[in-house]
Amino acid sequence: GAVVSQHPSWVICKSGTSVKIECRSLDFQATTMFWYRQFPKQSLMLMATSNEGSKATYEQGVEKDKFLINHASLTLSTLTVTSAHPEDSSFYICSATNRVFGYTFGSGTRLTVV
Amino acid sequence: KQEVTQIPAALSVPEGENLVLNCSFTDSAIYNLQWFRQDPGKGLTSLLLIQSSQREQTSGRLNASLDKSSGRSTLYIAASQPGDSATYLCAVKRYSTLTFGKGTMLLVSP
Repeated sequence: GAVVSQHPSWVICKSGTSVKIECRSLDFQATTMFWYRQFPKQSLMLMATSNEGSKATYEQGVEKDKFLINHASLTLSTLTVTSAHPEDSSFYICSATNRVFGYTFGSGTRLTVV
Repeated sequence: KQEVTQIPAALSVPEGENLVLNCSFTDSAIYNLQWFRQDPGKGLTSLLLIQSSQREQTSGRLNASLDKSSGRSTLYIAASQPGDSATYLCAVKRYSTLTFGKGTMLLVSP
C-alpha cells in the first residue's frame, strides 16, 4: 500500500526561527502533494497544493512568503515555516496523491513556537 | 463553496453498541466521499471511499452510505469497541480538492 512519511512528528522552536517539515512518499511517486493545518478540535484546512516541478498553489489567506513549499521531486515536498510566531503553533499534515492510490496522509507534525 | 458538516461533534457510548455518524455536504457535485479516522496527535487513516456513483461501501464492522442527491453520508459502526475511540472525519472531493468536516469525536467505554 501507499505510505507517506512526515518528519519531524513534533518540533519546538523559538519565535523568529524557521522550521522545515518534510513529506515523503515512500513507495509511490506523488504527482501532487497537499499541506493542511489543523487547530484543536477543528477540521483540516488546506493550505496549499504543490505539484512536482512547479510553484505551489496557495489557498486564500495563506501567506506564501511565510509558508514556503518546495516540491523538488516526485517523492518529496517540504514546508518551511519562516520567522515562526506563537500563532503558527499548530498541527501540520501532508497528503500525497497519485492516480493509483488516491490520497494518503502523513502522520502529522506538531509545531510549538515559544 | 463546499461546506461539510458532521453530527454529532462528540459521542460517548458503551462497548458493544451500534452507532451512526452523520456527514452532510452542501454541493452535491462531488467525485467521491471518504471517511477517515484520526487518533489524537496523529495523521489520518482512510477507512472507506465511496465513489459518486456508488451507494455504499463496507469494510469489516464499518459501513458507509452515500446519498449524493441529498448531500448526506452515514458511517455505521457495528458492535463498537474501545479501540474504535478516535475522531472520525468525512471529506468530499471535487477536482483535486478535499473538503473536510470538523469530525465526530467518538469514545467507546469498556
